[in-house]
Order: sequence, then structure tokens, then C-alpha cells
Amino acid sequence: AQKVTQAQTEISVVEKEDVTLDCVYETRDTTYYLFWYKQPPSGELVFLIRRNSFDEQNEISGRYSWNFQKSTSSFNFTITASQVVDSAVYFCALSENSGNTPLVFGKGTRLSVIA
Amino acid sequence: EPEVTQTPSHQVTQMGQEVILRCVPISNHLYFYWYRQILGQKVEFLVSFYNNEISEKSEIFDDQFSVERPDGSNFTLKIRSTKLEDSAMYFCASSEALRWEQYFGPGTRLTVT
Repeated sequence: AQKVTQAQTEISVVEKEDVTLDCVYETRDTTYYLFWYKQPPSGELVFLIRRNSFDEQNEISGRYSWNFQKSTSSFNFTITASQVVDSAVYFCALSENSGNTPLVFGKGTRLSVIA
Repeated sequence: EPEVTQTPSHQVTQMGQEVILRCVPISNHLYFYWYRQILGQKVEFLVSFYNNEISEKSEIFDDQFSVERPDGSNFTLKIRSTKLEDSAMYFCASSEALRWEQYFGPGTRLTVT
């Protein structure tokens, strides 16, 4: 069965600090897809990134970067030089390749960036 | 930029009443989903829909729930007889293909009193 664990429930940082949000997943499939979503205080879910299990290259998008390591089943998300607008709940999610499996979300990490 | 829309943004209903939550997915997307999020908790899958039929559903999606695509644009979730524990934020999502990124609507907050 697939499972996503985000062990950090809440993180608080001061603006301009770097912060890493951890995500560990479990799956029996060899092909799977990993996602990160942002949920700001307004409540919507904003897609950030999708990664397939065959692509272990790290990705950088502006201040955001993702570190995918199959050996440790982790897909961590780093925000560099955090800003107050980064304050949100961040969800990691997994979708297996077999069947029509939906997204399975972790419990989320609430990030508070203090000015 | 195309987006998923949902109406209403907030629905208050009495226990036992029927509610219909509406969604307009992104126009060229083929897969549609409903998820729910009880306040402060994680997002949970309810049902996925493709080619005018349910492709997968979770244990939460029991006989009280149904989905429909009544026309070429709308995608609805009906709860026949609401319970207190149905109070949650309900998100609609759509994707262009299976296992591609799902784009979520802004959600409908359902409050059952």
C-alpha cells in the first residue's frame, strides 16, 4: 500500500532563512509519481511539481528546489531565502502507476515565515 | 490561464439534507476527481471519473455519494443525506492524463449542522 509521511508538522523560520520540508514515501510499484502542493491560508491547493520515479535529477525553480532520492524513498523540498508569502501548508503526494490510483497525500507541513 | 472552478464556495446544510457540489474542470482535461479535507487534516481521495464513469473510489465514497457529468462542462458531487461528519472542504480536480499533475479548484466548504 502506498503511504506518504511528512514528519514535520510545523516549521517556523525567520524571513530569508532556508528551509527544507521532508517527505518520505512507501510504495511497492517501481513506477510512481511524486508531487508537491502548496495550500496558502486562502485554502486552495496549488500544484508545484511532479516527478516520475525514473527521473532522479534534482530540480530547481527559482527559490524552490527538490531533492529526489530513491535510495531513501525521499522527495524533499527546499525553499531558499524564504519569504512571508511562502507561509502555507505544503503537501507531498504520491501516485502509483498500477490501476487508476489517485493522489495519496501526506499530512502536510505548516510553514510559517516570520518577518 | 485555465483553472478549475467550484460552486458554491460555502454551503451550509442541515443533517439529512441532500447537497450538490459543482465543479467545472479545465476544458481539455479528461480525468476528474473529488477529494475532501476535514479541517486541519490531510487531503483524502473520494472518487475519480473518466469517460463518463467512475474509475476508482475510496472507502469514504459510500452509497450516500454519487458523481455525475451532466453536460460537457460540469462535474458534480451529490451527497444524498448529509451527516455531521461530512463537514469538510471538498476539492474538485482535473488532469489531462492519468497520473499527470492534477489541478485543483478553490474548494467548497460544506458545513453540516
